[in-house]
Amino acid sequence: EPEVTQTPSHQVTQMGQEVILRCVPISNHLYFYWYRQILGQKVEFLVSFYNNEISEKSEIFDDQFSVERPDGSNFTLKIRSTKLEDSAMYFCASSAQGLEQPQHFGDGTRLSIL
Amino acid sequence: ELKVEQNPLFLSMQEGKNYTIYCNYSTTSDRLYWYRQDPGKSLESLFVLLSNGAVKQEGRLMASLDTKARLSTLHITAAVHDLSATYFCAVDMVGNTPLVFGKGTRLSVIA
Repeated sequence: EPEVTQTPSHQVTQMGQEVILRCVPISNHLYFYWYRQILGQKVEFLVSFYNNEISEKSEIFDDQFSVERPDGSNFTLKIRSTKLEDSAMYFCASSAQGLEQPQHFGDGTRLSIL
Repeated sequence: ELKVEQNPLFLSMQEGKNYTIYCNYSTTSDRLYWYRQDPGKSLESLFVLLSNGAVKQEGRLMASLDTKARLSTLHITAAVHDLSATYFCAVDMVGNTPLVFGKGTRLSVIA
């Protein structure tokens, strides 16, 4: 069964550094998302992407964050000048068009900021 | 603002028993989802519920939706240890809007 893949599985970075989290969505999906989950808390929406542009973003997704789909397969989340509170699990998700199509989630990248 | 409330947040149940997890949402929504998450793992889609009165079953889990009450339930029948996980409900609107998640229900099934 096709799945969303994310790399790396774990990223440790010094505060103030930039990180890029990578995702390969399911190939025939059209909608892409980033969510994050701080340890022990609920999953929070960051940004959605469709037709090569951001379709919606949350308050969390400020100027520190950016997304890109550099080619036909990858979908990246860049975090500039990381802060301690950026430490979380970051999930990429994708979905197909259709009323009963759920968002399929990747295994996540655990980001630890030191 | 769309809000999703789940209860209970923690649930410890004995093997073989039945229990129900509740999910309330604050405004009209087009779709309701149930996801399962094992510790340190991703979210696995269990059910997508669209219409009032929708009921779906998979193994020992059954989900239902009452759109008038803005309530969904996840019923567990004859629990087994393998069902131990955190269960999230989430809602969105048609048009592939972002999912809004509840806080999750951490289920532990004990012998």
